[in-house]
Amino acid sequence: GQNIDQPTEMTATEGAIVQINCTYQTSGFNGLFWYQQHAGEAPTFLSYNVLDGLEEKGRFSSFLSRSKGYSYLLLKELQMKDSASYLCAVLDSNYQLIWGAGTKLIIKP
Amino acid sequence: DVKVTQSSRYLVKRTGEKVFLECVQDMDHENMFWYRQDPGLGLRLIYFSYDVKMKEKGDIPEGYSVSREKKERFSLILESASTNQTSMYLCASSFTGTAFSGANVLTFGAGSRLTVL
Repeated sequence: GQNIDQPTEMTATEGAIVQINCTYQTSGFNGLFWYQQHAGEAPTFLSYNVLDGLEEKGRFSSFLSRSKGYSYLLLKELQMKDSASYLCAVLDSNYQLIWGAGTKLIIKP
Repeated sequence: DVKVTQSSRYLVKRTGEKVFLECVQDMDHENMFWYRQDPGLGLRLIYFSYDVKMKEKGDIPEGYSVSREKKERFSLILESASTNQTSMYLCASSFTGTAFSGANVLTFGAGSRLTVL
């Protein structure tokens, strides 16, 4: 079966750095997405990785290793507004998205 | 500002009622999707559509149907609501193209939280 694993919840301190991991086992691979979802709101797109390596976008970076079936989202200089759920999703060989359950990130002052 | 608009943010219905959830996008996207989101579970795909009048079953289509009569509108129908359909329903859209053009990136609506009593 297809599976995406990510931690259920993480806590970090304002101003710090946090890494949210995502491991996947899917039928084929056509890219990995990260979305951010604030409580009660719609998920919004953060990043897309299809090649190995690190993609940086301001305070957020996303890393992919296809051979290891592994990705992480790195958030630097954490702000209170970064408190949200972070969803990992993989596009499989049929171009269907397989979703993880999401990681709830709690930022403390 | 591009948008996916869902008609109702909160609905309360009774078991056995017919429920319509409407979704409209203004981005001229070809693809539209209905998901449900429940605590502790990933987003689960109910139905999707790649074109007008076209629909495909997702992972959990039982108890649901859809309609896409116009490109911008995708409706989810619960023919006879049941308590296990209490959930957050998310509509999304995307355009068709190459991955590096931004295709397959979903734009979501704000969600419709349905409670079935």
